[in-house]
Amino acid sequence: DQQVKQNSPSLSVQEGRISILNCDYTNSMFDYFLWYKKYPAEGPTFLISISSIKDKNEDGRFTVFLNKSAKHLSLHIVPSQPGDSAVYFCAANRDFGSEKLTFGTGTRLTIIP
Amino acid sequence: GAGVSQTPSNKVTEKGKYVELRCDPISGHTALYWYRQSLGQGPEFLIYFQGTGAADDSGLPNDRFFAVRPEGSVSTLKIQRTERGDSAVYLCASSLKQGGTETQYFGPGTRLLVL
Repeated sequence: DQQVKQNSPSLSVQEGRISILNCDYTNSMFDYFLWYKKYPAEGPTFLISISSIKDKNEDGRFTVFLNKSAKHLSLHIVPSQPGDSAVYFCAANRDFGSEKLTFGTGTRLTIIP
Repeated sequence: GAGVSQTPSNKVTEKGKYVELRCDPISGHTALYWYRQSLGQGPEFLIYFQGTGAADDSGLPNDRFFAVRPEGSVSTLKIQRTERGDSAVYLCASSLKQGGTETQYFGPGTRLLVL
């Protein structure tokens, strides 16, 4: 039972344009969401997070949007840069009572120069 | 400052053998996590330590898997009687303290191949 889903295995975006990565979840107990970025042969690196009390969190070129009613979140990267090419994982957990992260299957983002 | 380190980076073993995977967390981090990432999947939680004790081991797939953290720092994941299905990247992460919103910092992983 995949509780966190990333339905697009891959995405290609022109440099300078906006990249939008999507994530859906099924467990209504999740109330904290994160995005991790992973380069080959490296561990995942934390990118940005959002609590369920917010619907938007912004950090530089990265913005995460949360739609609780739809159980959907998205990561926007603008403008996209070649160094953004990586696998992006969406993850979720509970603010209290659970430290384990539940990850999606990842989306491979390729930025085309 | 040093991040999370894991050794070995790669391990090839034969079916039925015993393996140990080591994790050195970031200095001062009290919480330590093990995850397993199979090909084409996201990381899956195995076990979480707060200090020396395993606070949540609900992700360990069976009793062939065991992990320890005797002094509250370095942790070792032990797999007995390895099977081909154990082949995966084993990731370790640490965080400053426990808490669902504490950022988990990941090591580069150990790639285990069971022949």
